[in-house]
Amino acid sequence: DAGITQSPRHKVTETGTPVTLRCHQTENHRYMYWYRQDPGHGLRLIHYSYGVKDTDKGEVSDGYSVSRSKTEDFLLTLESATSSQTSVYFCAISVDTEAFFGQGTRLTVV
Amino acid sequence: AQSVTQPDIHITVSEGASLELRCNYSYGATPYLFWYVQSPGQGLQLLLKYFSGDTLVQGIKGFEAEFKRSQSSFNLRKPSVHWSDAAEYFCASGIIIQGAQKLVFGQGTRLTINP
Repeated sequence: DAGITQSPRHKVTETGTPVTLRCHQTENHRYMYWYRQDPGHGLRLIHYSYGVKDTDKGEVSDGYSVSRSKTEDFLLTLESATSSQTSVYFCAISVDTEAFFGQGTRLTVV
Repeated sequence: AQSVTQPDIHITVSEGASLELRCNYSYGATPYLFWYVQSPGQGLQLLLKYFSGDTLVQGIKGFEAEFKRSQSSFNLRKPSVHWSDAAEYFCASGIIIQGAQKLVFGQGTRLTINP
């Protein structure tokens, strides 16, 4: 699992509340990513990071922000959760040309 | 823009039968291509990857895939499936931006194995 830990693993939250998901890695990898997985869509890139304080948007970044204040942690924040953000969220790291994924966080917005 | 299409949402095969999962990509240059497998409730595991060179690539668990530029395809094959191969399979293409590998995934193909 390339030392990737996602927390929480499951969360239920109410519409309009902010939510932060955490990705922690133990192996000092430079590149980190957040994807969401939805039926019929596979995985889609939300944001990625190429270093501390260096982040960029992916294809479905609206409604999400990220922060990376230290190498090991990459945080994904839903500023005001909506039901359309109910999904499974995966963190990933890449090493050379290979990506390694965390176990996922199942988020339900009610 | 990159896109990846997996035409088959669900495939059922009998144990011991051969398997082919289809994947078509759209990208101007030759992309990096990948196949991942996901068991229920789990993350994704890389089966194999293609960057250049030999168009037939071997992966883990007895899987292989063939890159065909003329057909823009990267189909996954296995000569004889096992019950443990039941899972969801994702094809993906990747490009490198600022050193980061941005992946675009297909919709996935769910594989069911009949005993």
